[in-house]
Amino acid sequence: SQTIHQWPATLVQPVGSPLSLECTVEGTSNPNLYWYRQAAGRGLQLLFYSVGIGQISSEVPQNLSASRPQDRQFILSSKKLLLSDSGFYLCASSGGPVVTDTQYFGPGTRLTVL
Amino acid sequence: TQLLEQSPQFLSIQEGENLTVYCNSSSVFSSLQWYRQEPGEGPVLLVTVVTGGEVKKLKRLTFQFGDARKDSSLHITAAQPGDTGLYLCAGRKMDSSYKLIFGSGTRLLVRP
Repeated sequence: SQTIHQWPATLVQPVGSPLSLECTVEGTSNPNLYWYRQAAGRGLQLLFYSVGIGQISSEVPQNLSASRPQDRQFILSSKKLLLSDSGFYLCASSGGPVVTDTQYFGPGTRLTVL
Repeated sequence: TQLLEQSPQFLSIQEGENLTVYCNSSSVFSSLQWYRQEPGEGPVLLVTVVTGGEVKKLKRLTFQFGDARKDSSLHITAAQPGDTGLYLCAGRKMDSSYKLIFGSGTRLLVRP
């Protein structure tokens, strides 16, 4: 199975500051990678997904961006954080576009924007 | 627009009771998955159902996919405190196999 690493685990940032969250994957090659945001105790909102290096699809218009500089590295960024960017950010990895594909999740980053 | 609606949103029951969580949509899915999430952690896959009407059992958990592949249910028999967590259903749309659409979640608390 795959192992997903995310850091930092917790982050408190002021409004208007930049953001960089990193996700790395072990145990697989050429994975599909995903960034989700989760409000407290609620479902997951897909923000970005990537099927290969340099290939990013955005699901929701926002002031966030994503990049995939290496096969197993996925980065979520912002130039200027908003209060509404607070939340629990999850990175996920999966093997391919099949109906039984499993998504493996990282431990998440709790972001608080003050 | 929330494509997958889960009910109830929150459930607090006594140890030993049975419960059912529902996941409903007007969309057809090629497959549907159930995940369980502990506080401060990422979701972990419990099961994947693919065929309409399919029933899968995982110890005390029974999962069913609706005949039309638009809905699903999770039934827990004799709930235990260890079952406490956030249960999420996630559907894979017919025209977009890379992406999962997650439900709104059901938070379950099993009291000893």
